[in-house]
Amino acid sequence: GQQVMQIPQYQHVQEGEDFTTYCNSSTTLSNIQWYKQRPGGHPVFLIQLVKSGEVKKQKRLTFQFGEAKKNSSLHITATQTTDVGTYFCAGPMRTGNQFYFGTGTSLTVIP
Amino acid sequence: GAVVSQHPSRVICKSGTSVKIECRSLDFQATTMFWYRQFPKQSLMLMATSNEGSKATYEQGVEKDKFLINHASLTLSTLTVTSAHPEDSSFYICSARVAGLFGSPKGETQYFGPGTRLLVL
Repeated sequence: GQQVMQIPQYQHVQEGEDFTTYCNSSTTLSNIQWYKQRPGGHPVFLIQLVKSGEVKKQKRLTFQFGEAKKNSSLHITATQTTDVGTYFCAGPMRTGNQFYFGTGTSLTVIP
Repeated sequence: GAVVSQHPSRVICKSGTSVKIECRSLDFQATTMFWYRQFPKQSLMLMATSNEGSKATYEQGVEKDKFLINHASLTLSTLTVTSAHPEDSSFYICSARVAGLFGSPKGETQYFGPGTRLLVL
């Protein structure tokens, strides 16, 4: 079945270091979304990528959608303690109505 | 804008009882709401899609008679966990999508509620 995997599952970084999480789908996606979930909180929408090869930036966050629209990445430059949380990618199911969530990458930032 | 609320935020119940969780879109209409379950340190697993005015669509492996979903209005969907057991203890989260915008980037964005932590003793 359709699957969305993320690596790594966990990442510990020193504050100021960069961080990258990768999202891979078994099928081509029409679009991909990224969410952040703080510990004890709920997922919060970050961004949606639609076009092949698209790159979008939000301050220190850079999101990229692969040329084949089967993978995506989120890169954080110079991490801060406020970046702590789990980052999920989500891709639409074949029906287009529902979204599969990736396995998530839990980021810990050490001050 | 696009605020989704859930009630209750936390509930503890005895095994065998039923628990109702409400999901409301506060400042927009949502023809489609989604119910997810999340176990500790795991991803969100879609349970069902709730459609206003029609029956919910359940994902494979989710018992529709155990997890009753009602979407009576464009702003409210409810999930009732019937005859709850300890293995049903989890974090239940709903999300809603803005009505009328499916196919546009804004219409595909899911706005999540704060979640409900259910503990069944």
